[in-house]
Amino acid sequence: QSVLTQPPSVSGAPGQRVTISCTGSSSNIGAPYDVHWYQQLPGTAPKFLIYGNNNRPSGVPERFSGSKSGTSASLAITGLQPEDEADYYCQSYDSLSGWVFGGGTKLTVL
Amino acid sequence: QAQLVESGGGVVQPGGSLRLSCAASGFDFSIYGMHWARQAPGKGLEWVAFIRYDGGNRRYANSVKGRFTISRDNSKNTLYLQMSSLTSEDTALYYCAKDWPQPLNDAFDVWGQGTRVTVSS
Repeated sequence: QSVLTQPPSVSGAPGQRVTISCTGSSSNIGAPYDVHWYQQLPGTAPKFLIYGNNNRPSGVPERFSGSKSGTSASLAITGLQPEDEADYYCQSYDSLSGWVFGGGTKLTVL
Repeated sequence: QAQLVESGGGVVQPGGSLRLSCAASGFDFSIYGMHWARQAPGKGLEWVAFIRYDGGNRRYANSVKGRFTISRDNSKNTLYLQMSSLTSEDTALYYCAKDWPQPLNDAFDVWGQGTRVTVSS
């Protein structure tokens, strides 16, 4: 059981918008610790995608955005492309457990 | 360009020990904290351990506390993870990751490709 809860899977057609939720609690996201997001393409290491809830590292397309409210955060991907098919993980800090990840969400591009 | 390369993985018997290494290049290793994270087969990411840039502060996940030890040699730009009393629950791909300090929760901005550890008799 992950400290942060994500839906196991989401899907969307090319060009559509999808969102991935990440639900925590008052000891992590609501503490309030920031949320970061990582993308893991099949068979590869995680890649840094979003930091500080809604900021993109250099090189990450504007199609990716993040938000946070209360004890939850979300990752949005607009203009979905086939190469976006991957696993996505949220990450925060928990005052009881240290650094924590969500269980991951598999994005399927239909 | 920052790069991390893990090594030292392999097959080990339950109760055994193993030491992982992570060679860093392309950035000033001595001024950044470092993490180990792992991913069991078909599962999600799990943070394992953190060490401050000078080795002065070390943190561990509850699942490995007392069994794993994180350390670093800044003169060699290398991070280590000494693992002991291994069980099948420790079977995973182990990643090292560079800490990126942030005001409200540090991020993991650079990841290695991982080294696989299999605990099996």
